[in-house]
Amino acid sequence: KQEVTQIPAALSVPEGENLVLNCSFTDSAIYNLQWFRQDPGKGLTSLLLIQSSQREQTSGRLNASLDKSSGRSTLYIAASQPGDSATYLCAGAGNMLTFGGGTRLMVKP
Amino acid sequence: ETGVTQSPTHLIKTRGQQVTLRCSSQSGHNTVSWYQQALGQGPQFIFQYYREEENGRGNFPPRFSGLQFPNYSSELNVNALELDDSALYLCASGLAGGNEQFFGPGTRLTVL
Repeated sequence: KQEVTQIPAALSVPEGENLVLNCSFTDSAIYNLQWFRQDPGKGLTSLLLIQSSQREQTSGRLNASLDKSSGRSTLYIAASQPGDSATYLCAGAGNMLTFGGGTRLMVKP
Repeated sequence: ETGVTQSPTHLIKTRGQQVTLRCSSQSGHNTVSWYQQALGQGPQFIFQYYREEENGRGNFPPRFSGLQFPNYSSELNVNALELDDSALYLCASGLAGGNEQFFGPGTRLTVL
């Protein structure tokens, strides 16, 4: 059974910092790894999808990496902004998505 | 291109009642999945539908059931509601084969 863990559970940083969110999973036989953003009380917005044959994906200030052998993925956010404040969720994709508990990020002006 | 939509936005029910939540998939997608997200937790997989058949189910009792229609819209039905069913219910659509999933805005269900 796939289990996904996200560390830290919460993070507060000043504006402009570069930061790394961590995601670990137990079953390396995942198809893909997907990162989402969730604003309070809202649905999930897909940020990046890393397919199993890839090692990283980039979109703007976001970069996500995937190391299946170690069961880890990281989401790197460059030059953080207050608008980045949200909960970030990673999910391993097999037939369905298995989510971690999320990292609640607050970026202070 | 229309994204994933869900209705209603909010719903209040009492314990023991039944509820139906609705989802319209993104155009071109052939799978629809439902997730339950309790406050402060990550979403939990309920089930997925593909070609109008259930194609995988999480650890949820039979009182959680679903339908997928030929136009790829979907319903989630929950019978005999319990207080612990209070959660945000999320619908996601995608293409079969473990590809990227796209989520709707969710339905907030409160059971009193």
